[in-house]
Amino acid sequence: GAGVSQTPSNKVTEKGKYVELRCDPISGHTALYWYRQSLGQGPEFLIYFQGTGAADDSGLPNDRFFAVRPEGSVSTLKIQRTERGDSAVYLCASSPDPKSSDTQYFGPGTRLTVL
Amino acid sequence: AQSVTQLGSHVSVSEGALVLLRCNYSSSVPPYLFWYVQYPNQGLQLLLKYTSAATLVKGINGFEAEFKKSETSFHLTKPSAHMSDAAEYFCAVSDWSARQLTFGSGTQLTVLP
Repeated sequence: GAGVSQTPSNKVTEKGKYVELRCDPISGHTALYWYRQSLGQGPEFLIYFQGTGAADDSGLPNDRFFAVRPEGSVSTLKIQRTERGDSAVYLCASSPDPKSSDTQYFGPGTRLTVL
Repeated sequence: AQSVTQLGSHVSVSEGALVLLRCNYSSSVPPYLFWYVQYPNQGLQLLLKYTSAATLVKGINGFEAEFKKSETSFHLTKPSAHMSDAAEYFCAVSDWSARQLTFGSGTQLTVLP
């Protein structure tokens, strides 16, 4: 079956602009996660959705970052007033159930470059 | 709070040699532990996971890892390296109270012919 997909695969924007990154999870997966991976680092947690609601957004770095999942499937990560430090690969993952032991299935990521 | 330390950001082995990638974790509650592999321009793929059943966990592509509570370690091994094993490997931890994964900084594995 289809895995997690993310669009776009690459996004180049200018400092101060607004961007949206999209994630399509595996069909039927109720849990959805966003992570950010900076160069040479492991992924860092941003936000976790259970269904339509954000169950944990403690990883969002500041109020310029926001994410939604209005119908409990597709999710959009929104970044306002982008800064050069936001440049990273943004990873989305989904899992069938919100158990901590569940495998998270990752998408290929969106590489964001802020000039 | 949880944390993961991967010793050695770069590891090189010869083809056919033993692969050993080190991971130590810190967790105040019983952890769940994961190893993921990342090939260039691809997403993270699960190799194996420990969820409090058997302490020796076997994964895909001939990899295995042993959970050692006394050493707070979860090292990844493979008896004989293949060229196709060259990739970046990440160790991660979660627990019953924190569904998100906390990752180490990764180990880049190079396999020499």
